[in-house]
Amino acid sequence: AQSVTQLGSHVSVSEGALVLLRCNYSSSVPPYLFWYVQYPNQGLQLLLKYTTGATLVKGINGFEAEFKKSETSFHLTKPSAHMSDAAEYFCAVVSGGYNKLIFGAGTRLAVHP
Amino acid sequence: KAGVTQTPRYLIKTRGQQVTLSCSPISGHRSVSWYQQTPGQGLQFLFEYFSETQRNKGNFPGRFSGRQFSNSRSEMNVSTLELGDSALYLCASSQRQQNTEAFFGQGTRLTVV
Repeated sequence: AQSVTQLGSHVSVSEGALVLLRCNYSSSVPPYLFWYVQYPNQGLQLLLKYTTGATLVKGINGFEAEFKKSETSFHLTKPSAHMSDAAEYFCAVVSGGYNKLIFGAGTRLAVHP
Repeated sequence: KAGVTQTPRYLIKTRGQQVTLSCSPISGHRSVSWYQQTPGQGLQFLFEYFSETQRNKGNFPGRFSGRQFSNSRSEMNVSTLELGDSALYLCASSQRQQNTEAFFGQGTRLTVV
């Protein structure tokens, strides 16, 4: 069965600093991986996805993630944090060949001046 | 192209009542999934529909049910509401039958008193 672990429920960075949000997955089949962002009282917005092919994936708002099969990781990074990046971030894997998403517990990102 | 639309946005119900939530997917998307989000349990999969057929169901009691219509619109119903059903209910639509990204609506915030 697939599962997702996000290390760190809260991450705090300074504006302009590197953002690194960690995600490890467990999957018995080649995974399809996603990062979503959620702002307060909103739904989830897709940041980026990995399906097949290039392991470095670029998404919206300057975010990118690298799929590392050997480490079963899919960490999310952004070179320079902006105040507007403050939100909750979820890593997810598709399960069972359907469109069922298995989510990590989420990481709340705080950006301070 | 319009996004996923969920109605209503907010709902307050009394214990024992039932509730119906509605979701209109992105035009052309035939897969609709439902998720429950709570602070304690995070994002949990409820069920997925594709072409009016339920393909997958999460680990929820039978009080939770859903359906999908021929125009891909979906409804979920919760009967005999309990206080623990208070949550943000998110609907997501996907374009293809499997392993594709999901696009989420803004959710319905259900409060059971």
